[in-house]
Amino acid sequence: DGGITQSPKYLFRKEGQNVTLSCEQNLNHDAMYWYRQDPGQGLRLIYYSQIVNDFQKGDIAEGYSVSREKKESFPLTVTSAQKNPTAFYLCASKTAGRSNQPQHFGDGTRLSIL
Amino acid sequence: AQTVTQSQPEMSVQEAETVTLSCTYDTSESDYYLFWYKQPPSRQMILVIRQEAYKQQNATENRFSVNFQKAAKSFSLKISDSQLGDAAMYFCAYSEGYGNKLVFGAGTILRVKS
Repeated sequence: DGGITQSPKYLFRKEGQNVTLSCEQNLNHDAMYWYRQDPGQGLRLIYYSQIVNDFQKGDIAEGYSVSREKKESFPLTVTSAQKNPTAFYLCASKTAGRSNQPQHFGDGTRLSIL
Repeated sequence: AQTVTQSQPEMSVQEAETVTLSCTYDTSESDYYLFWYKQPPSRQMILVIRQEAYKQQNATENRFSVNFQKAAKSFSLKISDSQLGDAAMYFCAYSEGYGNKLVFGAGTILRVKS
């Protein structure tokens, strides 16, 4: 079945450590997105990519980095510069250039500080 | 910047009855898209319904329908014959422009009483 796979489901970060969240999709979607969700709040956009080897900052990109070397994969690195990384992270994808098509979401990764 | 406002942090409805969730948004664009997503306790994001701004007809998906008032920038969700499985956090979201980024409201928790 086609879908989006995020791993790991739970992740713990030590002080000063970088951690990488994985997002893989087999929907043949060109566009991919990373969102952050804090308790009781809506989702906020971190980074997005419309095509391989290209990506743009979202509203809260500071302390995060991404790469898009393959169409299927869009990993997110939470760097030590992100001082408050504890949150639920959601990856999404959609067909690029067709605004009425919805974004499809993975099951998320919960990141906590040790 | 576009904003989405959900003014009801929590709503309750009796099973089999109807409930309406409110959403307003702010934009200067004329061509955009609106979505309602549902997030149950599993934290999965599930598309409920979508509306294209250029369409005057309100979208309907089974028990879910919207009241789209473009001039008032209002996009409410009506759930008829509420079921226990409808209990979740509901997010209103707006999309337009390059990248089709989604801007989310803060969400409304819907509780369904048996």
